[in-house]
This record gives sequence, C-alpha cells and structure tokens, in this order.
Amino acid sequence: DIVMTQSPLSLPVTPGEPASISCRSSQSLLKSNGYNYLAWYLQRPGQSPQVLIYLGSNRASGVPDRFSGSGSGTDFTLTITRVEAEDVGVYYCMQALQAPLTFGGGTKVDIK
Amino acid sequence: QVQLQESGPGLVKPSQTLSLTCTVSGGSISSDTDHWSWIRQPAGKGLEWIGRLSTSGTTIYNPSLKSRVTISLDTSNNQFSLNLISATAADTAVYYCAREASGWHPYMHDFWGQGTLVTVSS
Repeated sequence: DIVMTQSPLSLPVTPGEPASISCRSSQSLLKSNGYNYLAWYLQRPGQSPQVLIYLGSNRASGVPDRFSGSGSGTDFTLTITRVEAEDVGVYYCMQALQAPLTFGGGTKVDIK
Repeated sequence: QVQLQESGPGLVKPSQTLSLTCTVSGGSISSDTDHWSWIRQPAGKGLEWIGRLSTSGTTIYNPSLKSRVTISLDTSNNQFSLNLISATAADTAVYYCAREASGWHPYMHDFWGQGTLVTVSS
C-alpha cells in the first residue's frame, strides 16, 4: 500500500493569514499521462469530507480560489492564501494512483 | 446535483453481517464514467477506503477487508450496497458511500453521503 504522511498534525491559524499543509507519499503519484493522482479533502466538524483539489492542482467545482494545490511525485502542498473562519476542520490528502486508495492521517486546522 | 444517502441498521451483533445500502439520486448509477465506493471512519480517526464498484461489474476491494467484503449494484433502484461478514467491534465506524470520478482511472470522490454510524456490539 502507498503510505501517505501529512504534516503538521495540528495547525492553529489566524483569519486573513496564509496556511499550508504538507503531504508526502511513499511512492511517486505521477502517472505516465502526466497527472499526479493526489486529492485533497476538507472535513468540517460533523460533516462528510468534500473534495477541494484533484489531480494534484485542480480546484474542484465551487471551491474558492484561495485554495491551491501544488507539488509532484511524492511531495505535495495545500495552500490557503487567506484563511477564513469556515476553513476550520480536518484536511486529508488521498492517493488515487493505485488500489487500495489511501489517505493521510489528517491535519486539524482551527482558529487561534 | 448528485446526492447519495446511506441506510441500514445502526447496530450489528458481533459475527453477524454488516449490510448497508446507498441510494443515488440526481444521476444514473449506470453511468459508465463513474464508480461507486464505500469509505469508513472510526470515531475520532481517519478515513479508510473499503472498495469500489464500476458499472461494468468490476469490483476492487481493500486487501485488509477483501475476504469479508462485497459491494454490489442494483441498477433498477439506483442503489449500491455493502456487505461485510463476520463483523467485529473493530468495524464500528461511520460508513460513507461516495461517487468516485471519473473515467477508467478515477481520481477523486466528488459526491458523498452524509454517513451512517454502525456500531458492532452485543
């Protein structure tokens, strides 16, 4: 199985300030078609996860442009340019290159 | 807008079968570009992918559960189901159904159910 490792585990943020989360995979997620099979999800308290970013850097429909994904191969970053109060929750990265799909352990983002 | 809704018993006895159904609305479960999956989350923990089903009938399961799990399709009712035999307390979790998009190599879960808590206890 591909192991996904996120850091930090917890991230206190100040509204209006930037924030970033790192995700590392145990093997490259870059497929021969040029796409990185890496997605980012946000799970707000008491809710189901929702996709933010897919194929490494593509924003999902309806996701604000303050969210962006970058990286390639084994190292990826989710960046929030200006954190808003509604961004609190747990963020997960997930690899979709091969089954079983696997998730990182999660990064809990809350307001300072 | 595609919507998914899980249903099934909230309490299962140890050694019995955990069975859940996901009803899809706002879209056809027979779409040949989409796949249908189950994911679970124990209380306070992370997400575990259980497996997925394609409308072609192909299923892929997590090897950690493969010997116990079956995902099946009911196109007439626009539903898909999860059966997990020989349940133990370790199977206690919130179970989510989700759509995996898209094409022959899906890359994200774009629609999720609200989740249903299943407790395995006598």
